[in-house]
Amino acid sequence: GDSVTQTEGQVALSEEDFLTIHCNYSASGYPALFWYVQYPGEGPQFLFRASRDKEKGSSRGFEATYDKGTTSFHLRKASVQESDSAVYYCALGTGGYKVVFGSGTRLLVSP
Amino acid sequence: EAAVTQSPRNKVTVTGGNVTLSCRQTNSHNYMYWYRQDTGHGLRLIHYSYGAGNLQIGDVPDGYKATRTTQEDFFLLLELASPSQTSLYFCASRGTGGIAETLYFGSGTRLTVL
Repeated sequence: GDSVTQTEGQVALSEEDFLTIHCNYSASGYPALFWYVQYPGEGPQFLFRASRDKEKGSSRGFEATYDKGTTSFHLRKASVQESDSAVYYCALGTGGYKVVFGSGTRLLVSP
Repeated sequence: EAAVTQSPRNKVTVTGGNVTLSCRQTNSHNYMYWYRQDTGHGLRLIHYSYGAGNLQIGDVPDGYKATRTTQEDFFLLLELASPSQTSLYFCASRGTGGIAETLYFGSGTRLTVL
């Protein structure tokens, strides 16, 4: 079945560091890919999406590029801030309206 | 703004107990979802629905029933709760604009089964 793999369970950085969170997917067909962010005590909220090969999604300084060849959608940010500390989820949407999430990556940014 | 409201926020029950989690959305969305969130597993899909009376099976459906009574209301039922169902449950809604439509989540219900 469809699946999403996030390899980092937790990432610890200092402010102004460069961030990469890896996301790889497995899906039949041509899924849409998403990043969601979750702050403590809240539900996940949409960050951005991409729905075709080589499309770049971005929001709030975060970005990711849909790569069908490597089945990846890695999240990057050039300079993280303490306020970026949260859990980040990669997800895919398929033709059956099912939405599958990865296991999440906790980002901790220290001042 | 899109709104998804879950109740209760917290629930404690005993093994074998009967629990109903409620979700209401005011987004006029056709699709609604129930997920559970556990450390190390992320968000796992239990059931989803594309309209009143419809139910689709998710990836971890065992031990759960769900019912969509109206376009707004989606319920998750645990008829014989077990400690393995202790988790944080999220409801979400989504429009029918295609597979790139965004999910809107509620604030979650924390369930503890003793």
